[in-house]
Amino acid sequence: QSALTQPPSVSGSPGQSVTISCTGTSSDVGNYDRVSWYQQPPGTAPKLMIFEVSNRPSGVPDRFSGSKSGNTASLTISGLQAEDEADYYCSSYTTSYTWVFGGGTKLTVL
Amino acid sequence: QVQLVESGGGVVQPGRSLRLSCVASGFTFSNHGLHWVRQTPGKGPEWVAAIWYDGSNKYYADSVKGRFTISRDNSKSTVYLQMNSLRAEDTAIYYCARDSGYGSGSYIKYWGQGTLATVSS
Repeated sequence: QSALTQPPSVSGSPGQSVTISCTGTSSDVGNYDRVSWYQQPPGTAPKLMIFEVSNRPSGVPDRFSGSKSGNTASLTISGLQAEDEADYYCSSYTTSYTWVFGGGTKLTVL
Repeated sequence: QVQLVESGGGVVQPGRSLRLSCVASGFTFSNHGLHWVRQTPGKGPEWVAAIWYDGSNKYYADSVKGRFTISRDNSKSTVYLQMNSLRAEDTAIYYCARDSGYGSGSYIKYWGQGTLATVSS
């Protein structure tokens, strides 16, 4: 199972919006609405930010939103804040009853 | 609150074995599937294995199939990962994580703090 494809890095200034893409195949992202997004500051476990494509767990700001089109999912962060700087990973359930993660995107707040 | 505490990591030679444990608390253990996910510093997480709430179904990544075995003891609220025939590329932080459903196809919200397994001669 190949990893999902994410851009290595994105950046934005405070207050701006950024979008991180996550491209898979018809065997994972394109087949299920079971795409999650995680935020991971250095040295900590991943924190769930979005589940099932576009749902936010309680406590996650509504500045974070998710969507999907075909084999590509996206995470959009609006009104960027310095505290949003971290690594972000997507994951998807697959037709093999396994999970696959993306390679990660480093978000830099300028 | 939900807590997952891993243990059992350490340094082991290639070809040897290691067993990881994860003790859970703060929720009804027997109602949830569980996962092991590993991560090498600087890289994305890699899903390793999952087990259903009752142990009836188990799934593995191709990279560990035939070498690793996931199991659980609901009476002890503990999930295990038996890792045999270890290779250098198995070196990683291993996280225990809870599925939001009974099986292993829902989303993962809760993670442990991780335990480091290093395979080196």
